Amino acid sequence: GDSVTQMEGPVTLSEEAFLTINCTYTATGYPSLFWYVQYPGEGLQLLLKATKADDKGSNKGFEATYRKETTSFHLEKGSVQVSDSAVYFCALSDSGTASKLTFGTGTRLQVTL
Amino acid sequence: KAGVTQTPRYLIKTRGQQVTLSCSPISGHRSVSWYQQTPGQGLQFLFEYFSETQRNKGNFPGRFSGRQFSNSRSEMNVSTLELGDSALYLCASSQRQGSEKQYFGPGTRLTVT
Repeated sequence: GDSVTQMEGPVTLSEEAFLTINCTYTATGYPSLFWYVQYPGEGLQLLLKATKADDKGSNKGFEATYRKETTSFHLEKGSVQVSDSAVYFCALSDSGTASKLTFGTGTRLQVTL
Repeated sequence: KAGVTQTPRYLIKTRGQQVTLSCSPISGHRSVSWYQQTPGQGLQFLFEYFSETQRNKGNFPGRFSGRQFSNSRSEMNVSTLELGDSALYLCASSQRQGSEKQYFGPGTRLTVT
């Protein structure tokens, strides 16, 4: 079945540092890929998405590129802020059941001054 | 527009009891999906409802059931509660079945003792 693997956390960075959170996936079809973010005490929010190979999703300074050849969708940000502290989830949806999301285990990011 | 609302926000139940959780989608949204979030298993898809019919189902036992009403509100029921059912239950709504653009509620935290 479909699965998503993302790097273990927590990730602790100083403000303005470069962020990479790795995500790889296994899927039988042509999935769409997502990054969701969960801020403390809040619900999941869609951060960005990409629906086909070589697409780049971007939002709020975060970027991720759909790499079919390496089955990856790594999240990056050039300069993190304290307000980016949250749990980040990589997810996929199969083309046949687009609303059924398969999530990774989540990576907690802590940004310090 | 109001977001997805879930009630109650917190719930404590005893093993063997049953529980009903409620989700009100964003106005105009007709699809509701449910997810279970636990530290061990992460986020897992339970089921999706659209037009009062279950459209997709995850790999959960029959103790987990749901329904959707004509106003698109949805309820999820868990019977014969087990300790392992302690989790954050998230509801997500979207405008149509199979839509990748889902909006998540804050969740209901269920504790089974």
